[in-house]
Amino acid sequence: ETGVTQTPRHLVMGMTNKKSLKCEQHLGHNAMYWYKQSAKKPLELMFVYSLEERVENNSVPSRFSPECPNSSHLFLHLHTLQPEDSALYLCASSQSGLGNTIYFGEGSWLTVV
Amino acid sequence: QKEVEQNSGPLSVPEGAIASLNCTYSDRGSQSFFWYRQYSGKSPELIMSIYSNGDKEDGRFTAQLNKASQYVSLLIRDSQPSDSATYLCAVNREGNTPLVFGKGTRLSVIA
Repeated sequence: ETGVTQTPRHLVMGMTNKKSLKCEQHLGHNAMYWYKQSAKKPLELMFVYSLEERVENNSVPSRFSPECPNSSHLFLHLHTLQPEDSALYLCASSQSGLGNTIYFGEGSWLTVV
Repeated sequence: QKEVEQNSGPLSVPEGAIASLNCTYSDRGSQSFFWYRQYSGKSPELIMSIYSNGDKEDGRFTAQLNKASQYVSLLIRDSQPSDSATYLCAVNREGNTPLVFGKGTRLSVIA
């Protein structure tokens, strides 16, 4: 069992659907992240929550909406996605500062049809 | 110049050889350096971290850091087919900011 768990592991959704990805970390960390990884592209940082403060990549479309109710849980709400949003979405966490070791969950494979 | 640069590969080495993976970074104030391994279809997993100039060894893996040249490398001795994966270099920047990842180098170890 990993210290960072993501559900669901696989998700297929239509462009008009609303769904959410869930992440939970059991490591006692105080920063959580959402990354997007598309085929043949580098990891793209989408959102960071550190000490309850959100830092985001301004290039992320508004159809992606994060929620961090506490330091152990992170959600990514998905709405009106496009086929190009199909990718592996990785949750991660770290401790005591954003420049420290990041531990990844197993990822959620998203396919938008 | 991109913040963290890696040759995308593929880098092909025969089984038992030494694989050398390289990474350069642009922020002179960087203090923390990480190597992650990512198997196809899986998430990245941490292999090593290094913070000081010189070499750091862990089993078959050696990380090398040269801050003056802004260069960090990963050597894999006695490469095995199971080492075939994409290796990601990650670097912090000054201040409380997230790690920056390179695009990764795909390594193929041929039996």
